[in-house]
Amino acid sequence: NAGVTQTPKFQVLKTGQSMTLQCAQDMNHNSMYWYRQDPGMGLRLIYYSASEGTTDKGEVPNGYNVSRLNKREFSLRLESAAPSQTSVYFCASRARRTGQSSEAFFGQGTRLTVV
Amino acid sequence: QQQVKQSPQSLIVQKGGISIINCAYENTAFDYFPWYQQFPGKGPALLIAIRPDVSEKKEGRFTISFNKSAKQFSLHIMDSQPGDSATYFCAARGNAGNMLTFGGGTRLMVKP
Repeated sequence: NAGVTQTPKFQVLKTGQSMTLQCAQDMNHNSMYWYRQDPGMGLRLIYYSASEGTTDKGEVPNGYNVSRLNKREFSLRLESAAPSQTSVYFCASRARRTGQSSEAFFGQGTRLTVV
Repeated sequence: QQQVKQSPQSLIVQKGGISIINCAYENTAFDYFPWYQQFPGKGPALLIAIRPDVSEKKEGRFTISFNKSAKQFSLHIMDSQPGDSATYFCAARGNAGNMLTFGGGTRLMVKP
């Protein structure tokens, strides 16, 4: 059981380039999330998808777009990368049961550097 | 602005000592408070979680203490071990919401 798989693990981009971060989960979870992690800032939510076919903005959505391709896959796209987007990006998924809290599972992260 | 404030940012503890990390929140709609542990190069993993209807939850050497009136909760690691060296994040989520709000993280180092 792979859990949450992110690709790539590392990436260096030049300012203005575009790229897509891929995420797939094999736990049949409804909800998926993209976070960025910066020193001293914890993890901040970029976008999330509560269920297949829906996406919503999180705390820091500017400069990003997402696609919930199907129940398994949730991608994050940077259309024109900026140095401020240098960060470690984490994808997560959760089962989300009504009236209950359930654990969020995280991928291993993508370390992105924009030069 | 951070809705969940975590302190300290870093902590050094001797092996066998007690590690204490504190968090405070603003939003009274939060009703689920997990702690995540993250090792270098890995994603965060759920360590222990509490709901506000109890004041304490213990799992092995890890204990969450919760003070609803003060809107504070803390993680205590008893008999800290070098293998506990990691970054710890507190978080919070409302029952009607779908988003975890994280604290800024605490880098714990346990010295042998």
